[in-house]
Amino acid sequence: QQQVKQSPQSLIVQKGGISIINCAYENTAFDYFPWYQQFPGKGPALLIAIRPDVSEKKEGRFTISFNKSAKQFSLHIMDSQPGDSATYFCAASKETSGSRLTFGEGTQLTVNP
Amino acid sequence: NAGVTQTPKFRILKIGQSMTLQCAQDMNHNYMYWYRQDPGMGLKLIYYSVGAGITDKGEVPNGYNVSRSTTEDFPLRLELAAPSQTSVYFCASSSWTSGDTQYFGPGTRLTVL
Repeated sequence: QQQVKQSPQSLIVQKGGISIINCAYENTAFDYFPWYQQFPGKGPALLIAIRPDVSEKKEGRFTISFNKSAKQFSLHIMDSQPGDSATYFCAASKETSGSRLTFGEGTQLTVNP
Repeated sequence: NAGVTQTPKFRILKIGQSMTLQCAQDMNHNYMYWYRQDPGMGLKLIYYSVGAGITDKGEVPNGYNVSRSTTEDFPLRLELAAPSQTSVYFCASSSWTSGDTQYFGPGTRLTVL
């Protein structure tokens, strides 16, 4: 069973703080690890993604850290803002384009002003 | 580009009724997917398609059927609605040119009573 485990289920952070969401996977064949962001009433949208040939990828305030040996990856949101309040999903797949994503359970992030 | 569109936005069904959830994309993507989202469970893949005329089961296909007669459309059919099918359904698409990014529609909230 291909699984991706995500924690925590919910997270409350003060404005300006750092939000950290963690994911662990089982299948070593996975080679693509995206994070999706979902606002209430909307569909998920790709936020940032990483492949296992690098250990970190940064885009603005968002950073993915990847630990291949531990089979873990995490999303860091620096200087968290109320507008970041959303549900975040990690995912993984083992194929190139057209890949079937296996999603984590999701983390509901609330950033208090 | 409208992207991925889904209809209806909301629907209430009685047990045993049937319905079709519509999904269309105008990005000429060859891959399309149907997911269901339940609270605390992430997104589960129901069916996917790699091109017109080709469909395959995902993680939770029981109770659903799909067809893909054109590149643009990927309807999801519920034949005998059950309360366990109460969920939010998302359609997504991707292609070789989009890399591994899946583009999601706005979702259909279905309640079976």
